Formats: sequence, C-alpha cells, structure tokens
Amino acid sequence: EAQVTQNPRYLITVTGKKLTVTCSQNMNHEYMSWYRQDPGLGLRQIYYSMNVEVTDKGDVPEGYKVSRKEKRNFPLILESPSPNQTSLYFCASSVEPPGQGFVYEQYFGPGTRLTVT
Amino acid sequence: TQLLEQSPQFLSIQEGENLTVYCNSSSVFSSLQWYRQEPGEGPVLLVTVVTGGEVKKLKRLTFQFGDARKDSSLHITAAQPGDTGLYLCAGVSGGTSYGKLTFGQGTILTVHP
Repeated sequence: EAQVTQNPRYLITVTGKKLTVTCSQNMNHEYMSWYRQDPGLGLRQIYYSMNVEVTDKGDVPEGYKVSRKEKRNFPLILESPSPNQTSLYFCASSVEPPGQGFVYEQYFGPGTRLTVT
Repeated sequence: TQLLEQSPQFLSIQEGENLTVYCNSSSVFSSLQWYRQEPGEGPVLLVTVVTGGEVKKLKRLTFQFGDARKDSSLHITAAQPGDTGLYLCAGVSGGTSYGKLTFGQGTILTVHP
C-alpha cells in the first residue's frame, strides 16, 4: 500500500530535550516536505526537499533541522524544543516538486501531535 | 511569503443547503489545489486547477480558478453531513518560490443532519 508513515504519532516532551520525528514514504517520490498545523493558521511549510541531499527552508524553519540521506526518509529534528513548537506536524511527499505549470498531489502522513512543556 | 486568505473560517449549515468557500491572494499562482482534512488524518487532495477561468466538478463540488489566477472558490451543492471537515486551498507561485507550497488557513465546515 502506497503511504507516508510518521513516528511517533503522539509525543509529550520537555523543553530542551532533543527529539526526532521520522517520516518515510514507499512511493519513490522525489519531493518531501514538513508542515506544522496550528488552529487558525492552516498548514505552514517548515522545510522541503527536492531530492536526496537537497533541502530548503519553508516559511517557518526556525528551531528545526532536516536531512535527506535516502530518498524514502525525511526526518524532522528539534534540537532544543520549546513550548511554541507544540503543534500538529505533517510530513508529505509528491512525485515531483510543485513548480510552474502544475502542482502534483501531496500525499500526507497521519500526523504527529507534539506537546512541549 | 505569498498569502492565501480563506473565507469564511467557520461554516455551520443544515443538510441540503448550498455553500461557497473562497480562497484569495494578491499573488498569481501557477496552479491551485483544494484539500479536505478529517479529524486525526492528513489532508487529502480533492482537485488541482491550472488554467485561469478553469471550472472542475467533482460530484456536488464545483471548483473554479479565477481568470487572473489569484483566487479560487469551492461551491458545494446540497451539502450532506459527510461533507463535514476542514477544507484547505494551497498554491504554488513558481519562479523563485519553486518547491514551496502555500496553504490557506482553512475553512471548518459542519453540516448538521
């Protein structure tokens, strides 16, 4: 089954304790992206990756890191989480990056609800 | 940063009513998507519109892309409780923003039986 998986689905942690949220897709997609979703703000893009070893900042990258060493995996790293990073996080992938002329369907993972106290 | 403004943010209607959700921007988008999200799940694509003035229909849902490609609308005819959910528009402007997808803040639709 074609899918995007995220782990963990739920995480409660304390300020400053490094954490990683994993994301994996089995569709051989080139493009992967991380979003956070907060009430009234919709989805905001954190980082995206055009392909292996190619990553770039989205609209809200502060406090986050990513890596893309393999095509299927795109982990999100919070080196020193703070309470303002409490949010619902989604990983997504698509066959190609969105660009001029066409946007391919983004396939989203089930989400990771993170609480930082 | 390109902005997509969705309105209304909340919509509560009775089964059988019609409704329209709007997605507006001051920027031109090369294409625009509409997603629907249910609680506890990720968004799922409904439609992609590419050409200015384009109209697409998906059963009782009608999507329109503005002539200037700065706005879009989603119209639902005879809404049903199964239409309840969060509706999101998303666009990409291309050029220097290649690879970046901008989402609106969403419209929470509740359809009462």
